[in-house]
Amino acid sequence: NAGVTQTPKFQVLKTGQSMTLQCAQDMNHEYMSWYRQDPGMGLRLIHYSVGAGITDQGEVPNGYNVSRSTTEDFPLRLLSAAPSQTSVYFCASSYSTWNGYTFGSGTRLTVV
Amino acid sequence: AQKVTQAQTEISVVEKEDVTLDCVYETRDTTYYLFWYKQPPSGELVFLIRRNSFDEQNEISGRYSWNFQKSTSSFNFTITASQVVDSAVYFCALSETSGSRLTFGEGTQLTVNP
Repeated sequence: NAGVTQTPKFQVLKTGQSMTLQCAQDMNHEYMSWYRQDPGMGLRLIHYSVGAGITDQGEVPNGYNVSRSTTEDFPLRLLSAAPSQTSVYFCASSYSTWNGYTFGSGTRLTVV
Repeated sequence: AQKVTQAQTEISVVEKEDVTLDCVYETRDTTYYLFWYKQPPSGELVFLIRRNSFDEQNEISGRYSWNFQKSTSSFNFTITASQVVDSAVYFCALSETSGSRLTFGEGTQLTVNP
């Protein structure tokens, strides 16, 4: 089925560990974004991309890296996990800024 | 900078009551897009509606309706005859044409009790 696929769904990390959250879409969308959701704060933009090879920072980029080598994939890297990065992470994609974004099912990350 | 405010953190109603979720936004752009998303207890985000800044017509879809007023920078969402299945967190979001991002409000937790 077409959509946005995020893996893993759940992850527990120790402080200082690194990991990559995977995001893939098969709708040929140019726009892709990563958000984190924390209680009472809505969804906040971490990084976004307007096409392969083009990325930019969002509202809360510190501690995260991204790259976009293909249209389909937009991985999010945590270089050295911190407890403050405990959150639910959503990847989203869209055909354009004026279309509704399609979201993945989310990754629940806990850093201990 | 753009901003979305959902002042109602939590709303609790009894089934069959009507309920309105408020959304107020700020933007400097003259062209922008407003969205509502639903997040049920299962956690996924479900797209409900998109409205562009040039279209102030209200929209109705079944029990859902949306009232867009540029004069007050508001994009409110009404559920008529609420049902238990409407229990969810609802997010209002804004996208400007100058960027490629959605700015979300804090969300409103709606609980519909039987």
